[in-house]
Amino acid sequence: GDSVTQMEGPVTLSEEAFLTINCTYTATGYPSLFWYVQYPGEGLQLLLKATKADDKGSNKGFEATYRKETTSFHLEKGSVQVSDSAVYFCALSGNQGGKLIFGQGTELSVKP
Amino acid sequence: NAGVTQTPKFQVLKTGQSMTLQCAQDMNHEYMSWYRQDPGMGLRLIHYSVGAGITDQGEVPNGYNVSRSTTEDFPLRLLSAAPSQTSVYFCASSLSTSTANYGYTFGSGTRLTVV
Repeated sequence: GDSVTQMEGPVTLSEEAFLTINCTYTATGYPSLFWYVQYPGEGLQLLLKATKADDKGSNKGFEATYRKETTSFHLEKGSVQVSDSAVYFCALSGNQGGKLIFGQGTELSVKP
Repeated sequence: NAGVTQTPKFQVLKTGQSMTLQCAQDMNHEYMSWYRQDPGMGLRLIHYSVGAGITDQGEVPNGYNVSRSTTEDFPLRLLSAAPSQTSVYFCASSLSTSTANYGYTFGSGTRLTVV
């Protein structure tokens, strides 16, 4: 079945460092891909999405490009801030009637 | 605009007790779902509903029941709580099953501990 694999955390960075969180997926057909963010004590919020190959999703300085040839959707940000500290989830929605399949989540901690 | 409202936020149960986790949305969303979040395992789908009167099982449905009598409400029932059900539970909704266009809106979660 469909699945999502993320790099394990926690990831600890200094403020203004470059961020990459790897995400790869397995799915039949052409899924839509998402990144969600969960701040401490809160629910998940949609960060960005891409619905077809080569699409680039972007929001709040974060970017991810849908790479069908490598089945990847890596999250990047050029300069992280302390306020970016959160858990990041990669997810896909394939041919399963709207269900979202999540990766295991990657915790990011940004130090001043 | 309340979005997705979950109650309670915290709950402690004894093994064998039953309870209902409430979820309500005011966005006229067709699609509603329940996930549990456990360390290192991401979010796993418990049950979902594509509209009033229609429910189906997700990845980990055992020990849980749901019903969808109205568009707005989607309660999750634990029939006989077990320590393995200690988790954080999230309710999520979407305008339709076409999540590519609409995405999901999540509630703030219920942290359940079974002792």
